[in-house]
Amino acid sequence: EAQVTQNPRYLITVTGKKLTVTCSQNMNHEYMSWYRQDPGLGLRQIYYSMNVEVTDKGDVPEGYKVSRKEKRNFPLILESPSPNQTSLYFCASRPLGQAFSGANVLTFGAGSRLTVL
Amino acid sequence: KQEVTQIPAALSVPEGENLVLNCSFTDSAIYNLQWFRQDPGKGLTSLLLIQSSQREQTSGRLNASLDKSSGRSTLYIAASQPGDSATYLCAVSDTYGNNRLAFGKGNQVVVIP
Repeated sequence: EAQVTQNPRYLITVTGKKLTVTCSQNMNHEYMSWYRQDPGLGLRQIYYSMNVEVTDKGDVPEGYKVSRKEKRNFPLILESPSPNQTSLYFCASRPLGQAFSGANVLTFGAGSRLTVL
Repeated sequence: KQEVTQIPAALSVPEGENLVLNCSFTDSAIYNLQWFRQDPGKGLTSLLLIQSSQREQTSGRLNASLDKSSGRSTLYIAASQPGDSATYLCAVSDTYGNNRLAFGKGNQVVVIP
């Protein structure tokens, strides 16, 4: 089954303890992206990647890092989490070469709910 | 910076009624607009994508229109069903290939049996 898999789905951690949220897709998609969703603020883009070793900032990159060493994986790294990073995180992917077709739609993961105490 | 607004934030309709959801955006220089559905505890599912050169897209009971010059899109859901209860999000891309998407905060819909 074609899908985007995020882990963990739920995590409670403490301020300053480094954590990584993994994202993996099995569709050979070039483009991958991370979003966070907060009540009253909607979905906001954190980072995105156009391909292996190519990453760029979204609207809210502060406090996050990403890497794209393999095409299928795009982990989100919180080096020193703070309570304001408590949120619902989504990873998404799509193929790069179909920008003007109906197939140019994002496939989202199920989300990772992170709480930082 | 692109701002996307969805009104109303929440609505309830009786089963069988048509649903009309509105999305407005501040910068009309968009590449495309997408409508997504989000169920509680789950990710987003793409419903329709409208290119900037198009006026509407249809899929089954869903129809989305786009008026780029006025910065508006409308999602129509005909003959609503309880299974249509969800949050619907609008997102616009102002770059080639959706590299950066600006999302609205969503319309939370409840269809009452």
